[in-house]
Amino acid sequence: GEDVEQSLFLSVREGDSSVINCTYTDSSSTYLYWYKQEPGAGLQLLTYIFSNMDMKQDQRLTVLLNKKDKHLSLRIADTQTGDSAIYFCAEGYNQGGKLIFGQGTELSVKP
Amino acid sequence: DAGVIQSPRHEVTEMGQEVTLRCKPISGHDYLFWYRQTMMRGLELLIYFNNNVPIDDSGMPEDRFSAKMPNASFSTLKIQPSEPRDSAVYFCASSPGLAGLEYFGPGTRLTVT
Repeated sequence: GEDVEQSLFLSVREGDSSVINCTYTDSSSTYLYWYKQEPGAGLQLLTYIFSNMDMKQDQRLTVLLNKKDKHLSLRIADTQTGDSAIYFCAEGYNQGGKLIFGQGTELSVKP
Repeated sequence: DAGVIQSPRHEVTEMGQEVTLRCKPISGHDYLFWYRQTMMRGLELLIYFNNNVPIDDSGMPEDRFSAKMPNASFSTLKIQPSEPRDSAVYFCASSPGLAGLEYFGPGTRLTVT
């Protein structure tokens, strides 16, 4: 079945790296996504990775994919207070249709 | 493009009243999704459409909820009658169907008293 799991909370100090983890169960997913939700706003796509890749870097963001263990992580370097938000991972498929979202990880960045 | 547009942004209504939430997807997107977000349940997919046709409505909580997409540029989610437990933020999202990318609207915060 389809299931995406995340830890609910993460707290870091400003300037540290944050690592948000996600596990999924459906090995047929084609794409894996990270979305960010700031307070009072909708979800905003941060980055995504094809399932045949194992790493993608985009400025301060690094996505690592371990397909064997069905484990996805998002690393934020030099975390800032503006990074405080809820981060959702999601899995999707090449033919479109719905995404399967995790329950979100609330990142709190302390000065 | 202005992105996904939802209206109203906030709605406060009394139990038993009908509530209609509206969504305008991004032009050219073939998929439209309605989600509900609460503290208790997180983000739940209610229903989604492809080319204006409902594909999966298994997330619609009960018969009080209905959704329509009369054309490619407009969708509604209706709750009749509304109950306090329907209080949540309702998001609409649209997708071009490529890579499954979804673009979310700002949401409608519904409070039923």
